[in-house]
Amino acid sequence: EAGVVQSPRYKIIEKKQPVAFWCNPISGHNTLYWYLQNLGQGPELLIRYENEEAVDDSQLPKDRFSAERLKGVDSTLKIQPAELGDSAVYLCASSFGKTGTDTQYFGPGTRLTVL
Amino acid sequence: KNQVEQSPQSLIILEGKNCTLQCNYTVSPFSNLRWYKQDTGRGPVSLTIMTFSENTKSNGRYTATLDADTKQSSLHITASQLSDSASYICVVSANTGFQKLVFGTGTRLLVSP
Repeated sequence: EAGVVQSPRYKIIEKKQPVAFWCNPISGHNTLYWYLQNLGQGPELLIRYENEEAVDDSQLPKDRFSAERLKGVDSTLKIQPAELGDSAVYLCASSFGKTGTDTQYFGPGTRLTVL
Repeated sequence: KNQVEQSPQSLIILEGKNCTLQCNYTVSPFSNLRWYKQDTGRGPVSLTIMTFSENTKSNGRYTATLDADTKQSSLHITASQLSDSASYICVVSANTGFQKLVFGTGTRLLVSP
């Protein structure tokens, strides 16, 4: 069974340009997460979906970040316009449920470099 | 404030040696604690999960302990291998009705031949 798939794996853009990341979770997983991970730090939650509903987006900088999970399966995270400080790894994770014992499975991440 | 602190920040050991990584947390209300392994350029992978009533959990050469009274956990790696070189992240789940994870900053382990 395939794990969480993310693309692209790497992205280099100039500041003020838009960028989008795509995530396909493990089949059957209802909960999907987007995290931001800076170098040497643990992941920080940006947004959590339960099916197609964004149930926790309190940490998402909504002035430039947006996300969608239209059919409750794959998801897209967008940044427009990108800033230098957005350079980081963007991780997508999924879990079957939302309870504390549901394991989150992470994708390999997209490493974004903003020049 | 919910926090997870890990030590040491980085560690270098010789292949075949044992090591222990530490995690202290102040997350409340506590649900469970996980140790994740994150290889360079990859996403974190869950190694162990422990709930409040569990004191120890093993996964091959990895053994995690939990002291819920002192809010401390450790991850012991036995007979280290080169493939153990990675970051090890302690993650505590808060019982808020849904899974809210609080991540530590990780311990970067390098196993040297």
